[in-house]
Amino acid sequence: ETGVTQSPTHLIKTRGQQVTLRCSSQSGHNTVSWYQQALGQGPQFIFQYYREEENGRGNFPPRFSGLQFPNYSSELNVNALELDDSALYLCASSLADRGRGYTFGSGTRLTVV
Amino acid sequence: GEDVEQSLFLSVREGDSSVINCTYTDSSSTYLYWYKQEPGAGLQLLTYIFSNMDMKQDQRLTVLLNKKDKHLSLRIADTQTGDSAIYFCAETQQAGTALIFGKGTTLSVSS
Repeated sequence: ETGVTQSPTHLIKTRGQQVTLRCSSQSGHNTVSWYQQALGQGPQFIFQYYREEENGRGNFPPRFSGLQFPNYSSELNVNALELDDSALYLCASSLADRGRGYTFGSGTRLTVV
Repeated sequence: GEDVEQSLFLSVREGDSSVINCTYTDSSSTYLYWYKQEPGAGLQLLTYIFSNMDMKQDQRLTVLLNKKDKHLSLRIADTQTGDSAIYFCAETQQAGTALIFGKGTTLSVSS
């Protein structure tokens, strides 16, 4: 059983640029969610996708957007990067209706300068 | 709104038991989790408990849930240096929905 893989592992971007982060879900999982973890904080929910549609969103502005593909892989896009967007971005996959099935990837460390 | 709180730091000696505490505010929380995060890594699910349970034991880990006080604890028996990490408490109201995390408790184990 494969786990959740994220790419890239590290990224440096300039303020105002756009970035795309990628995630491959664990085999058999049909739901993917994204979290932002700032330094010294717990992860904050960004949004979740099920069957290629967004079905939940946290308190993040519209410049954070995503996609889920038929093979359950996913992208997180952030436009107009701000310095405060610097964080570890975590992807988690799960089976819908299975409360115990959240599997996290190792994350992408984004630094905005 | 929902809130999950944890103490920030815990220091124990190798071989002792560690108890990490968590309180949550949402009485409709259905699933409660403990995750472990090692430096530079993602989150590893340690254990979970459903809100209709009071206790769950899994090898060295014991989870206690007091629904009345909205208090969750994680006990690690015979703590090892490899247990040094940040431990996050998280809750969700419904299976497959957003997790609400605490800020994490840093566990330091000295030999």
